[in-house]
Amino acid sequence: KQEVTQIPAALSVPEGENLVLNCSFTDSAIYNLQWFRQDPGKGLTSLLLIQSSQREQTSGRLNASLDKSSGRSTLYIAASQPGDSATYLCAVIHGSSNTGKLIFGQGTTLQVKP
Amino acid sequence: DTEVTQTPKHLVMGMTNKKSLKCEQHMGHRAMYWYKQKAKKPPELMFVYSYEKLSINESVPSRFSPECPNSSLLNLHLHALQPEDSALYLCASSQDGTGLLRPAWNSPLHFGNGTRLTVT
Repeated sequence: KQEVTQIPAALSVPEGENLVLNCSFTDSAIYNLQWFRQDPGKGLTSLLLIQSSQREQTSGRLNASLDKSSGRSTLYIAASQPGDSATYLCAVIHGSSNTGKLIFGQGTTLQVKP
Repeated sequence: DTEVTQTPKHLVMGMTNKKSLKCEQHMGHRAMYWYKQKAKKPPELMFVYSYEKLSINESVPSRFSPECPNSSLLNLHLHALQPEDSALYLCASSQDGTGLLRPAWNSPLHFGNGTRLTVT
């Protein structure tokens, strides 16, 4: 059974700091991995999607890496800003899935202090 | 602003009421989803529609009844709910859909902002 874990559960950093959020999964047979952002009381915003054949994806100040063999992904946020404060969720689709069901981690709640 | 629109934003209903949640997208996506999210928990998949046909039902109780009238609309009909059904209900869509062949789940999901449901 695929399980997704995110560490830490919460993180507080000063503005301007570079930071890394971690995501691990127990079964390396994934189809893809996605990182989402969720603001309080809002829906999820897709940040980055990494296919199983890819090693990383970049969008602006965000960089996500994927190491399937070790079952790990990281989300790197450069020069953090208060507007980055949110909960960040990673999710995987199992490689043999015929449903496209996302399996989510519990999320990391990030606070960036001005 | 999200490209997936959900109405209403908030809903309070009694256990004997019948209500409906609505979701609309105009991105031409052929897969649409209902997720349920409890406080401080990740979303849980309820239903998936692909090409307007129900393809996945994650063993959801029959008091939740989905409907996909056309490729742009997705409804969730609610009847005889319980207080524990109170949650944020999220609709999502994606470009890919399942079919007879193995689906290419290559497109990210686009979520709406959800309907905050309270059952009294």
